[in-house]
Amino acid sequence: NAGVTQTPKFRILKIGQSMTLQCTQDMNHNYMYWYRQDPGMGLKLIYYSVGAGITDKGEVPNGYNVSRSTTEDFPLRLELAAPSQTSVYFCASTKAGFTEAFFGQGTRLTVV
Amino acid sequence: AQSVTQLDSHVSVSEGTPVLLRCNYSSSYSPSLFWYVQHPNKGLQLLLKYTSAATLVKGINGFEAEFKKSETSFHLTKPSAHMSDAAEYFCVVCTTSGTYKYIFGTGTRLKVLA
Repeated sequence: NAGVTQTPKFRILKIGQSMTLQCTQDMNHNYMYWYRQDPGMGLKLIYYSVGAGITDKGEVPNGYNVSRSTTEDFPLRLELAAPSQTSVYFCASTKAGFTEAFFGQGTRLTVV
Repeated sequence: AQSVTQLDSHVSVSEGTPVLLRCNYSSSYSPSLFWYVQHPNKGLQLLLKYTSAATLVKGINGFEAEFKKSETSFHLTKPSAHMSDAAEYFCVVCTTSGTYKYIFGTGTRLKVLA
């Protein structure tokens, strides 16, 4: 059972480039989340999804987009990378309602 | 709005001494609370969770936390620290303002001294 898988693990982008962070889960979870982690700030919610075809903004959505075409996959898109998007990104999933959230191993992104 | 506040950004203890990591929550109704641990350059692992059952919750690796409604607290403790406990710890509340979202505290970095 793989759980939540994120790719890539590391990436360096130049300012203005775009990329997609991939996230897939094999637990048939309805809820999926994208967080970013900056030093001393904890994790901030970027976007979340309550099921295929349904997404919504979290606390810090600017500069990002998401889609959820299947239950398993929840990719995060950066269209025009900026240095402020340098961070560690975590994808998570949960079945529903106050249960444990399972996290991927993270993607460390640097924008230069 | 629901939130959590971790009262210490850094905590240092000697190996073999007790650990106390403090968390206060804000919620208009009975919350679901979690503690997660993150070892350096790793993902997040669930330590324990409170979901309105027993107020004293036992987790993995000897950690436990007590839900105190009167004090709006959910402090994490361990009787005896081990070197392998050095990590960052996050207190998390699950909200239900329309959907389920996990709100993180800013984290407490635990250092264990030999």
